[in-house]
Amino acid sequence: QLQLQESGPGLVKPSETLSLTCTVSGGSISSSSYFWGWVRQPPGKGLEWIGTIDFDGRTYYKPSLRSRVTISVYTSEKQFSLRLTSVTAADTAVYYCARNVVPTYGEAGAFDIWGKGTLVTVYS
Amino acid sequence: SYELTQPPSVSVSPGQAARITCSGDALPRKYAYWYQQKSGQAPVLVIYEDDRRPSGIPERFSGSSSGTLATLTISGAQVEDEADYYCSSADSSGNDRVFGGGTKLTVL
Repeated sequence: QLQLQESGPGLVKPSETLSLTCTVSGGSISSSSYFWGWVRQPPGKGLEWIGTIDFDGRTYYKPSLRSRVTISVYTSEKQFSLRLTSVTAADTAVYYCARNVVPTYGEAGAFDIWGKGTLVTVYS
Repeated sequence: SYELTQPPSVSVSPGQAARITCSGDALPRKYAYWYQQKSGQAPVLVIYEDDRRPSGIPERFSGSSSGTLATLTISGAQVEDEADYYCSSADSSGNDRVFGGGTKLTVL
């Protein structure tokens, strides 16, 4: 059964770059049926979609984060990644990676399988 | 930017029906999705494409959508259903995904 696992530094300094990797196990990352995405949750707050990448490598980012976000897929390693530049305290959150099942282009699709999440704290 | 609006909290007694709403201008044209998140855990998909239930989700969970309002209904809510619930959908362009602010369901 498919599982996702986030990994990366738990502490990042302000103005630096947050980099996380999601490793997919128990299934394929290259299927044309699935997209892959990142969602975050600041402490005590709600879920926030960050971005999604499809099987052709096309990316979709939250507008307010677009200038700072890059999501990439590494098929041979069965991984996808998140880079968020110029971080501030507002970027402190639990970051989740998730599989995104999209019925047709233009729909949000279901995040049907999630990683456990990893807390990233921006501190000085 | 596009927004989905949920009530901050809903409270019911065990065995009663719990209804959580999600309002958004694009919902007449876009599917709604619902997630359950218990304290300290990752979200779990409970409803997709407005009214479809993933395998393993109890039958008491159902979804509907009419006009600009999507609704998650838990028929006969149980104490174990206490959690935060989030709706999600896409904006009119289809490029952006959005989550609602979340609804805390209390069953007591």
